[in-house]
Amino acid sequence: DAKTTQPPSMDCAEGRAANLPCNHSTISGNEYVYWYRQIHSQGPQYIIHGLKNNETNEMASLIITEDRKSSTLILPHATLRDTAVYYCIVRARSYNTDKLIFGTGTRLQVFP
Amino acid sequence: NAGVTQTPKFQVLKTGQSMTLQCAQDMNHNSMYWYRQDPGMGLRLIYYSASEGTTDKGEVPNGYNVSRLNKREFSLRLESAAPSQTSVYFCASIPRDGQGQETQYFGPGTRLLVL
Repeated sequence: DAKTTQPPSMDCAEGRAANLPCNHSTISGNEYVYWYRQIHSQGPQYIIHGLKNNETNEMASLIITEDRKSSTLILPHATLRDTAVYYCIVRARSYNTDKLIFGTGTRLQVFP
Repeated sequence: NAGVTQTPKFQVLKTGQSMTLQCAQDMNHNSMYWYRQDPGMGLRLIYYSASEGTTDKGEVPNGYNVSRLNKREFSLRLESAAPSQTSVYFCASIPRDGQGQETQYFGPGTRLLVL
């Protein structure tokens, strides 16, 4: 299973872009990169996912390098409510398996 | 559309007691998961089910059993609870291809204390 490496913590000023990096150097060709976040002790919330191309939705953008060994989650205008632990996950999916293993995540603190 | 529901929300057990945590989803997802989260730690995968009738071990399966009787429900059973199983348990249901309209693929959690 491909593992991910993230910095343990990051700070970001409110209104600025938050760029959260993730390394997944052992990712396989058919494995997707997923991002979730967890606020306090709530259940994790899905943010975005991608395979090869960059992706954007109403919450964030996902930039995946051409070799797919790393990615960056971008929150374009961070707010105080974006303070959370952000998890980068490689999803190992095939016909009869679909494993989703969380790493240790990055604790993002957005300050006023 | 309730998403993922878990019962109970809280439970206190004595060492050696058994219990089953229930999880249900109404999003017609194939893949379902059970995680545990200890205080200040990340989520660890206990078991998962890629489709109805199949289950596979995750990172920390010892002391647990699961059952995926139908597409909606995925239960987690502790046969003989131990204090080391004190944790918050999250159930998840995730679409196999792409994402649906929901972003809340995880249940609210079950807080379990084993004395």
